[in-house]
Amino acid sequence: EVQLLDSGGGLAQPGGSLRLSCAASGFTFNSYAMSWVRQAPGKGLEWVSSISASGGSTYYADSVKGRFTISRDNSKNTLSLQMNSLRAEDTAVYYCAKEWGRFDNWGQGTLVTVSS
Amino acid sequence: EIVMTQSPATLSVSPGERATLSCRASQSVSSNLAWYQQKPGQAPRLLIYGASTRATGIPARFSGSGSGTEFTLTISSLQSEDFAVYYCQQYNDWPPLTFGQGTRLEIK
Repeated sequence: EVQLLDSGGGLAQPGGSLRLSCAASGFTFNSYAMSWVRQAPGKGLEWVSSISASGGSTYYADSVKGRFTISRDNSKNTLSLQMNSLRAEDTAVYYCAKEWGRFDNWGQGTLVTVSS
Repeated sequence: EIVMTQSPATLSVSPGERATLSCRASQSVSSNLAWYQQKPGQAPRLLIYGASTRATGIPARFSGSGSGTEFTLTISSLQSEDFAVYYCQQYNDWPPLTFGQGTRLEIK
């Protein structure tokens, strides 16, 4: 069974940083692209970033480009999202998701709140 | 960027009846269209991909159709557990991957 466990969310100040992690199990992690999708409170879904299976290709939404960095450690079956220069509008539940294109499986989400 | 537009925003249907949800793309996405279901406090769940292929474990009462710019998700006989928010998403031309704004399916 595919399991994705998101962690690392919390309260950050505007301009601050947070690092999210996603621990994957139940599938061959290094064979699949991975993604992050977020959802602001009471709002819809927004794609944030994706990374290829090898980690050699990365893609970002314009809203986070230059501030967020997606990475993966295939030896530890872990996906990460380093978030810098956080803004109030980054406040959301962040989900990791298996694959890019369509999202086959989702983590439970981790809440990031950006506020002073 | 491809803009996805869902209609209606809210759909009220009685249990046992059929629900039809629509999704329109601002340009052709071929059949590279997915549907997700999201219940309160839960992560989204993939229902349909390739516009019409049910994901693993999805009941047969869920069906998807369409190609190009017009898509439909049909739930043939609504069960109590089907009342949720539904999102469409295109993956034909990206980045960015884009979602519709969602349709809330509520009990009439």
